[in-house]
Amino acid sequence: DTAVSQTPKYLVTQMGNDKSIKCEQNLGHDTMYWYKQDSKKFLKIMFSYNNKELIINETVPNRFSPKSPDKAHLNLHINSLELGDSAVYFCASSHVPGTGGEAFFGQGTRLTVV
Amino acid sequence: GQQLNQSPQSMFIQEGEDVSMNCTSSSIFNTWLWYKQDPGEGPVLLIALYKAGELTSNGRLTAQFGITRKDSFLNISASIPSDVGIYFCAGQGGSEKLVFGKGTKLTVNP
Repeated sequence: DTAVSQTPKYLVTQMGNDKSIKCEQNLGHDTMYWYKQDSKKFLKIMFSYNNKELIINETVPNRFSPKSPDKAHLNLHINSLELGDSAVYFCASSHVPGTGGEAFFGQGTRLTVV
Repeated sequence: GQQLNQSPQSMFIQEGEDVSMNCTSSSIFNTWLWYKQDPGEGPVLLIALYKAGELTSNGRLTAQFGITRKDSFLNISASIPSDVGIYFCAGQGGSEKLVFGKGTKLTVNP
């Protein structure tokens, strides 16, 4: 069973479109995250939710909006996609609230904006 | 904000050799984590360290939390081809978010 699963694995879309990435974890964790990995493999946190409540919101354009319908799901919606949004987006979850300790990562969604 | 310096950026070694990589920080961390990322996959946690001076092993991997709380190293002994990947250190100070190093790309030649 996949612990943290995100869909789709690949997403190719045109500039200006709106897209969503879904994430689900079956680990019973209260905290979930979205990370962005750029072309140089640098990982940076974007958002963190604890039990459906937003607790970390990094300096991310407001075109990015996370939504957590319940503590097992954290989806990422991106409006008006730009070329610079191309990256790999990772969902993660942890039992340590808020800050990311011992996070379990999904397989990633490679977003390509053309 | 907190920054991590991870070195080396890349390593090319022969199978059977030992490997060492490290991370240093300009500020104190309470937790050090080491992750490995295979191509096309998400990072996987290898070792977690919670106490200054702590030395922890996971099979052929050994990691230490530096006494100053500003550094950590990861050693891999007797490397094998499946050790290939990118290794990330990550640190966390107090209630702040987890910060990742820029990764060490390891290539193992059979």
